[in-house]
Order: sequence, then C-alpha cells, then structure tokens
Amino acid sequence: EIVLTQSPATLSLSPGERATLSCRANQSVSNYLAWYQQKPGQAPRLLIYHASNRATGIPARFSGSGSGTDFTLTITSLEPEDFAVYYCQQRTNWPPSITFGQGTRLEIK
Amino acid sequence: QLQLQESGPGLVKPSETLSLTCTVSGGSISRSNYYWGWIRQPPGKGLEWIGNIYYSGSTYYNPSLKSRVTISVDTSKNQFSLKLSSVTAADTAVYYCARDFGGYSRYFAYWGQGTLVTVSS
Repeated sequence: EIVLTQSPATLSLSPGERATLSCRANQSVSNYLAWYQQKPGQAPRLLIYHASNRATGIPARFSGSGSGTDFTLTITSLEPEDFAVYYCQQRTNWPPSITFGQGTRLEIK
Repeated sequence: QLQLQESGPGLVKPSETLSLTCTVSGGSISRSNYYWGWIRQPPGKGLEWIGNIYYSGSTYYNPSLKSRVTISVDTSKNQFSLKLSSVTAADTAVYYCARDFGGYSRYFAYWGQGTLVTVSS
C-alpha cells in the first residue's frame, strides 16, 4: 500500500508570504499525484494534477512540482482565501488504488 | 455544468448497511472515459477513498473496505450508489460522491456537497 505523508501538519503564515507544502510517498508514484484544497464545510477542490498541472480555473500562484516520492505544492503570495487544509492524493494503475495524505492545515499567523 | 448530489439516510444503526445514492445532472454517467467515486471524511479527520466505478460497471475498492463495500451504477437514472455493510461508529463520516478529471485520471475534479452519515443506535 502506498502511504503519503504530508508535512508540516500545520503551517502558520501571513497573507503575502510564500507557502511550501510537502507530500512524500513511501514508494514511487511517478507523477501520478494531485493536490486539493478544502475549506470548512466544503468539498475538496482539485488544484493540481499529474504533479504539476493546474486544474481549470486555478490561479497561477498555485504550482506543483516533484516526481517519484517527493512532491511540493507552492503558493506564492498568499491570499486570505488560501487559508485552508491541503491534501495530496496518488493513484496507482495496478492494482487500481487511490490514497490521500493526512493533510496540511495552512493557517493565518 | 456537472453537478453531483448525495442522498440517503443520515442515521444508520450499528451492524446495518449504509446505503447512499449519487444523482448526476448536467452530464451523462454513461459517457466513457470517466470514473465515478466515493470518498469519505470522518468528522475532523482526513479523506479516505472508498472506491470507483466505471459506467460499464467495473469497480475498484479500497482494500481496507473491500469486504464490506459495493458500488453500482444505474445508467437509466443517471445515478451510482454505495452500500457499506456491517457498519460501526468508525464509519461515521461525511460521504462524498465525485467524478474524475477524465482520461481515466482518477483525480477528482467534480464533487457533491457531501452528506453526513452517523452510525449510532
């Protein structure tokens, strides 16, 4: 089973600062990794797929990088609406499976 | 615009079967190239994938839940459903239905609003 470990668990930053969130897999997932943003009471929103591709309508301040086992979500110049919980997700082809990381809470400092 | 809506009982007794339906509007569940899925989130916790189904009926389940899960599709009603048997309090969660990005990506681009299911006697 592929396990995704996100760090840090909580990240405290101010609007305008740069956020760097990490997701590490216990074995290679190639570039089959996505990032989601979830705000309280809402469903998750897809931000990044295939490690580095922005989903439709996602602002350019969100970017993803990495491959293999180490991935990063970067948010340049945080906006007030960016404070939320972020999850990474991987998918394997065989056996077909999906796992999520435990999440990183991005909070206002 | 594709929309998904979960429906079903909000309260289920321990040892019984949880049953939810996801109704899809704004698009056909019969279109190829898309996976439809169920994801859950216990209160205050992270996301857990339950399983996926393709319009043809092919299914893929989380190994940790596989013995208790059945996902099915009803193309005539544009719906897909989740059944989770022998529930316990640990199955209390918000249950989301979702559709992937396309191209068999299994990245979930469209989500329902979620429905809270509580397991309690």
